[in-house]
Amino acid sequence: NAGVMQNPRHLVRRRGQEARLRCSPMKGHSHVYWYRQLPEEGLKFMVYLQKENIIDESGMPKERFSAEFPKEGPSILRIQQVVRGDSAAYFCASSPTSTGGRVTEAFFGQGTRLTVV
Amino acid sequence: AQSVTQPDIHITVSEGASLELRCNYSYGATPYLFWYVQSPGQGLQLLLKYFSGDTLVQGIKGFEAEFKRSQSSFNLRKPSVHWSDAAEYFCAVGGYTDKLIFGTGTRLQVFP
Repeated sequence: NAGVMQNPRHLVRRRGQEARLRCSPMKGHSHVYWYRQLPEEGLKFMVYLQKENIIDESGMPKERFSAEFPKEGPSILRIQQVVRGDSAAYFCASSPTSTGGRVTEAFFGQGTRLTVV
Repeated sequence: AQSVTQPDIHITVSEGASLELRCNYSYGATPYLFWYVQSPGQGLQLLLKYFSGDTLVQGIKGFEAEFKRSQSSFNLRKPSVHWSDAAEYFCAVGGYTDKLIFGTGTRLQVFP
């Protein structure tokens, strides 16, 4: 059973370009979470998705950031018109169907390290 | 709102010494608690988790953690640290919001 797959592992974008980060959850997992990790900081929650639905996007910046988890294919985190402050590691995690609405375990991918030059 | 505090940003221990990493949480009900480890340039690996029952939880790689409700703590311990344990350790709390909230992490350095 393959783990959570993220690609690319490293992504370099010039200011103003678009960044698209992909995440394929573990087989059988229907919940996907995106986190951002800045140097010397912990993981900041961005968004929680189920298939075709955004459940909680309270951590997403209001502009330029969007996420989707289509019926088929990976989850995509999209950052438009990137700026230097977007440089960070972006982690995806997946979990199986929650029990009683609570996360019982989250499995993380290796992350995508975005560098904006 | 739930939150996690890891008061130690950086800890240095000698190989073979015992280790305790502190974690305090804020949550109104019984939390789900987790410890993850992150090696440089890697993703996060689950060490152990607590949902209910026995407050002393055993994990992988010889780690254990104890849930203390009265202190709102979930400290991670290991009796004898190995050089390969050098990494960053994150405590997380999960509640009814369907997401994990992480602390800022503790970076562990191990000297031979």
